[in-house]
Amino acid sequence: AQKITQTQPGMFVQEKEAVTLDCTYDTSDPSYGLFWYKQPSSGEMIFLIYQGSYDQQNATEGRYSLNFQKARKSANLVISASQLGDSAMYFCAMRDLTGNQFYFGTGTSLTVIP
Amino acid sequence: GAVVSQHPSRVICKSGTSVKIECRSLDFQATTMFWYRQFPKKSLMLMATSNEGSKATYEQGVEKDKFLINHASLTLSTLTVTSAHPEDSSFYICSARRRDGKNIQYFGAGTRLSVL
Repeated sequence: AQKITQTQPGMFVQEKEAVTLDCTYDTSDPSYGLFWYKQPSSGEMIFLIYQGSYDQQNATEGRYSLNFQKARKSANLVISASQLGDSAMYFCAMRDLTGNQFYFGTGTSLTVIP
Repeated sequence: GAVVSQHPSRVICKSGTSVKIECRSLDFQATTMFWYRQFPKKSLMLMATSNEGSKATYEQGVEKDKFLINHASLTLSTLTVTSAHPEDSSFYICSARRRDGKNIQYFGAGTRLSVL
């Protein structure tokens, strides 16, 4: 079975500090993709960052970086210099080899404190 | 990032009526779109996979006659909730998959359905 685990239901971070949101995954596919999405209170799911399983380097997109540790099957999201607007739910997701199956974690609620 | 438009954003309807929700991929062609349902403070629950030009694939437990999906073009998929009941009240969100090797799903803004 393939699955995504996010063990932190809620996280708090001080504004301007960095925060790491944890994500571990389970798959037997030789190739897969990992994603992070942000869902603010408005409800839309905003794509943040993608990491391919064969990518040699960790993905980065602005203040977001993905700490990909393949042997540990973890894909943690690091947000640097947190801003108040970063307060939201964050979902980790994975696609399978075919790209037809996607799996979402249960989410982490991040609150940025001024 | 890519743009997916979902309409309407909010709908209130009477029990027994049908509601149609549209999902449009604005800047890429999407042979595959997905429909999710999300309960408060919960993760996304996949309802069905919508394939252009063919029948949708429904997840176990999702009534295909109640949740009609049509993917008539490469940029449009619709979800019709037929004979809606209060228990159908929920947040419905669609996504379009960009077939570029990464297979990133881009999401619409969601539709909040309230059935009275």
